[in-house]
Amino acid sequence: AQSVTQLGSHVSVSEGALVLLRCNYSSSVPPYLFWYVQYPNQGLQLLLKYTSAATLVKGINGFEAEFKKSETSFHLTKPSAHMSDAAEYFCAVSDPSTGNQFYFGTGTSLTVIP
Amino acid sequence: KAGVTQTPRYLIKTRGQQVTLSCSPISGHRSVSWYQQTPGQGLQFLFEYFSETQRNKGNFPGRFSGRQFSNSRSEMNVSTLELGDSALYLCASSLVAGSPEEIQYFGPGTRLLVL
Repeated sequence: AQSVTQLGSHVSVSEGALVLLRCNYSSSVPPYLFWYVQYPNQGLQLLLKYTSAATLVKGINGFEAEFKKSETSFHLTKPSAHMSDAAEYFCAVSDPSTGNQFYFGTGTSLTVIP
Repeated sequence: KAGVTQTPRYLIKTRGQQVTLSCSPISGHRSVSWYQQTPGQGLQFLFEYFSETQRNKGNFPGRFSGRQFSNSRSEMNVSTLELGDSALYLCASSLVAGSPEEIQYFGPGTRLLVL
């Protein structure tokens, strides 16, 4: 089965600073990777997905993520944090060996300090 | 196109009761998945339905069950509620099932509190 690890359950950055949220996965086959964002009292919204095309994936709201097979990582970045980026971020992997069931990381709560 | 809708949004029950949650997927979507979200465990997969058939099931006790109707709407039922069942229950729909790159679209969730 797949597993997804998000290092750092809480990350704080200053407004305008770089955002880096870490995600590592375990997979014996090429995975499909996703980043979702959850704002308070809302469901999850897709930020971006990796499906074995370009290794650098651009998403909505200025976020992007880079797939690094050698490091089994899919870290999420944004050059300049905005107050509206404060939310919970989830990394997820789709596992073909289990009928493409989704496995989510435990989430990283991002705080943006003015 | 309307998004995934879940009803009710909030629910308070007592231990031992049962509860039924409803999910209406995006029009045209045939796959519905359910997740339980708690602060300690994060998002945990409950089950997935496609064309009225359960495709995948997570590691939850038999008190948790679900079904899908011919119009793709889905319900999940939890019987004999326990305090630990208090959580946000999220429903997600996708166009098809089994495609690894298929995007899941999430509803706002139903927040269940068990007293």
